[in-house]
Amino acid sequence: DAKTTQPTSMDCAEGRAANLPCNHSTISGNEYVYWYRQIHSQGPQYIIHGLKNNETNEMASLIITEDRKSSTLILPHATLRDTAVYYCIVRVAASGGSYIPTFGRGTSLIVHP
Amino acid sequence: IAGITQAPTSQILAAGRRMTLRCTQDMRHNAMYWYRQDLGLGLRLIHYSNTAGTTGKGEVPDGYSVSRANTDDFPLTLASAVPSQTSVYFCASSTSGGRNTQYFGPGTRLTVL
Repeated sequence: DAKTTQPTSMDCAEGRAANLPCNHSTISGNEYVYWYRQIHSQGPQYIIHGLKNNETNEMASLIITEDRKSSTLILPHATLRDTAVYYCIVRVAASGGSYIPTFGRGTSLIVHP
Repeated sequence: IAGITQAPTSQILAAGRRMTLRCTQDMRHNAMYWYRQDLGLGLRLIHYSNTAGTTGKGEVPDGYSVSRANTDDFPLTLASAVPSQTSVYFCASSTSGGRNTQYFGPGTRLTVL
């Protein structure tokens, strides 16, 4: 099962880009990388996902290295409301061939004025 | 469209009592999940269901049971609550297991005394 490693915490100045790294060196060829975030006391919220190409949506950009062993989530212009815990996950194969996403401890991002 | 609802929002429960946490989704998603979240430990999967009529064990299933009688509902039961089950419980759903985006409910805060 592919595991992820993320820094425990990071901080960023408001208006600057926040770059959140994730290491997934044991990822399999058909496993996707997903990013979620959790604002205090709320349920996690989907941000973005990708397989091997870089992805961008209205919330963020996802950069995946060519060897797929790591990725970076980029919030281009961080705001105070982006303060949250950010989770990087990959699919985990369960019995019977089903795939269950597993969340680690994530990165606590603090955006300061 | 409500998405995913959970009930109750919070509950204080005496040890040894039976408790059922309710989860309902109106998105016709096949897969549903239960996670618990404890301070410093991130989200841990308790049980999951890839489709109505089937369930599976996650990372921390002991002391919990689930059922999936239909597509919309996925109740989580604590047969005899213990203080270590004090946690915040999140229900989630996705169109199918693993690869697809998960949508989370608002959570249930449970305290077992």
